[in-house]
Amino acid sequence: EVHLEQSGAEVKKPGTTVKISCKVSGYTFVEYYIHWVKQAPGKGLEWVGLVDPEDGETRYAEKFRGRVTVTADTSADIAYVQLSSLSSEDTAVYFCASVVSGTTHFDSWGQGTPVTVS
Amino acid sequence: EVVLTQSPDTLSLSPGESATLSCRASEIFSSDYLAWLQQKPGQAPRLLIYAASTRATGIPDRFSGSGSGTDFILTISRLEPEDFAVYYCQQYGASPPVSFGQGTRVEIK
Repeated sequence: EVHLEQSGAEVKKPGTTVKISCKVSGYTFVEYYIHWVKQAPGKGLEWVGLVDPEDGETRYAEKFRGRVTVTADTSADIAYVQLSSLSSEDTAVYFCASVVSGTTHFDSWGQGTPVTVS
Repeated sequence: EVVLTQSPDTLSLSPGESATLSCRASEIFSSDYLAWLQQKPGQAPRLLIYAASTRATGIPDRFSGSGSGTDFILTISRLEPEDFAVYYCQQYGASPPVSFGQGTRVEIK
């Protein structure tokens, strides 16, 4: 069974950088895309970006382009999202989610990592 | 960019009733790329339906999806207490790869 385990809550100062991890297990890491989704307090879901661990290809939402970096460490089966120049608007829960290569839906989600910028 | 608009924003119903949730897209796309997610407070979203009408593993048959083109529907027949949650439609496409509707909250009347 696919399992995504995220790193713990973060509290950051404005202007700094946060890096969140997503450890995947139960499947072949390179056969899935890993996406990151933001959910601000009381708000809906917002797509941030994705990485294809097989070749490192990344894609980002226009809103976050230039501030976000998504990476994958295939030696440890861990995906990361790094967000820089933090502001209070980045306060949110960030989820990782997996999509089987060749399919079009999220089949598993991490538990979420709360990030507070204050 | 495909924009998904869900309606209504909130649905107030009693257990045992049926719910009909709508998701309208700003442009036509293949139903293969439309999914529905459920989210309960403090939890990660959960996949309910993919390819517009295929139930994910373990999802009860009271959940059903339909639609094509720009209009998609999630129907929940005979609402159970655990079904009161927020529901999102989600599109998997080209650019951007993923977009979500704003969500419909199904609350207990």
